[in-house]
Amino acid sequence: DSGVTQTPKHLITATGQRVTLRCSPRSGDLSVYWYQQSLDQGLQFLIQYYNGEERAKGNILERFSAQQFPDLHSELNLSSLELGDSALYFCASSSGSEKLFFGSGTQLSVL
Amino acid sequence: EDQVTQSPEALRLQEGESSSLNCSYTVSGLRGLFWYRQDPGKGPEFLFTLYSAGEEKEKERLKATLTKKESFLHITAPKPEDSATYLCAVQEDQAGTALIFGKGTTLSVSS
Repeated sequence: DSGVTQTPKHLITATGQRVTLRCSPRSGDLSVYWYQQSLDQGLQFLIQYYNGEERAKGNILERFSAQQFPDLHSELNLSSLELGDSALYFCASSSGSEKLFFGSGTQLSVL
Repeated sequence: EDQVTQSPEALRLQEGESSSLNCSYTVSGLRGLFWYRQDPGKGPEFLFTLYSAGEEKEKERLKATLTKKESFLHITAPKPEDSATYLCAVQEDQAGTALIFGKGTTLSVSS
């Protein structure tokens, strides 16, 4: 158990809808990262937050947004969903070193 | 162009048959190279970090090595429980950069 909690584990929704994925980092970790994993693209970095502030941005679509709250949990919001957004979404946390601890992921299926 | 390339994509071994996985990278300045293990339906699990050419790290049957342009993950006398996808990631030598992952090598070890 990595100590990173992601909910829900599975999410099935329709095109055009909006969903929210939630992540609770390991106790004491200030950094939260979001990654998307698909079969053809592998693990793609989306965005990083550090103690509530956006730290780095990767290949995140404009339809996607994230935030980190004062209690350090983070949410990833995906809107106007398309079939191609179906993927595994992982959250990871770290204490400031580069070593990341990953959650078990949220499997998103857009039908 | 991919910055991190892993080969082979898939590898099938018999129990006890040693082999190596390759990770080549093209980032201009390397801050660190990471190896992760991912089991089906789970998040990646940290294995090793390597920082400079010539460095080696070992854990049970796994040994990771690093040169200026690539890293190898050597698996000695593998067991069926070593079956997993092994992911390589690099962090560039700039503050605040996230890990860039390769697409992974899926290892299957049969008894």
